[in-house]
Amino acid sequence: EVQLVQSGAEVKKPGESLKISCKGSGYSFTSYWIGWVRQMPGKGLEWMGIIYPGDSDTRYSPSFQGQVTISADKSISTAYLQWSSLKASDTAMYYCARLAGAGIAAAHFDYWGQGTLVTVSS
Amino acid sequence: DIQMTQSPSSLSASVGDRVTITCRASQGISNYLAWFQQKPGKAPKSLIYAASSLQSGVPSKFSGSGSGTDFTLTISSLQPEDFATYYCQQYNSYPLTFGPGTKVDIK
Repeated sequence: EVQLVQSGAEVKKPGESLKISCKGSGYSFTSYWIGWVRQMPGKGLEWMGIIYPGDSDTRYSPSFQGQVTISADKSISTAYLQWSSLKASDTAMYYCARLAGAGIAAAHFDYWGQGTLVTVSS
Repeated sequence: DIQMTQSPSSLSASVGDRVTITCRASQGISNYLAWFQQKPGKAPKSLIYAASSLQSGVPSKFSGSGSGTDFTLTISSLQPEDFATYYCQQYNSYPLTFGPGTKVDIK
């Protein structure tokens, strides 16, 4: 069974750093892209970027390029989303999700993590 | 970037109703269109990909159609568990983009 299990909720202060995780199981972690999606309180879904754990190839949405870093450690089947300096506006639920396959024709999400709530407040 | 719009933004319907949601892309995306369902406090669930293909385990009351710029999601007979927000997403080109969502609630 494919599962994506995310790390727990975080409460941080502005300016602090943070790294949240998404652990995949039940499939070949290195063979599928993993993406991150932001959902601000009461708002819609925003595609942030994706990583291919096999070779760490990464694509970012221009809206998030330079604001976050997506990485992966294939030895432990885990993808990460990190911030070097959080802002209050980073307060949101963050979901990881698996792309169904390689190539643009399969670049749709099929499995989702449960979400990680990040709260940034002074 | 390809912009996605959805209509209506919300709708009220009764159990048993047939419901149709429209999604439009700002440029042609072939059939690279997915639909997701999200219930309050829950992660999104994948429903449809390639505009009309059901994800494994998704009931056949859900159907999708369209190609190019105009797409629809239809729920043939709305059930209590279908009250949720529905999002479309294009995956024709990066950055992948979501529509703003359509909230389906109980009349």
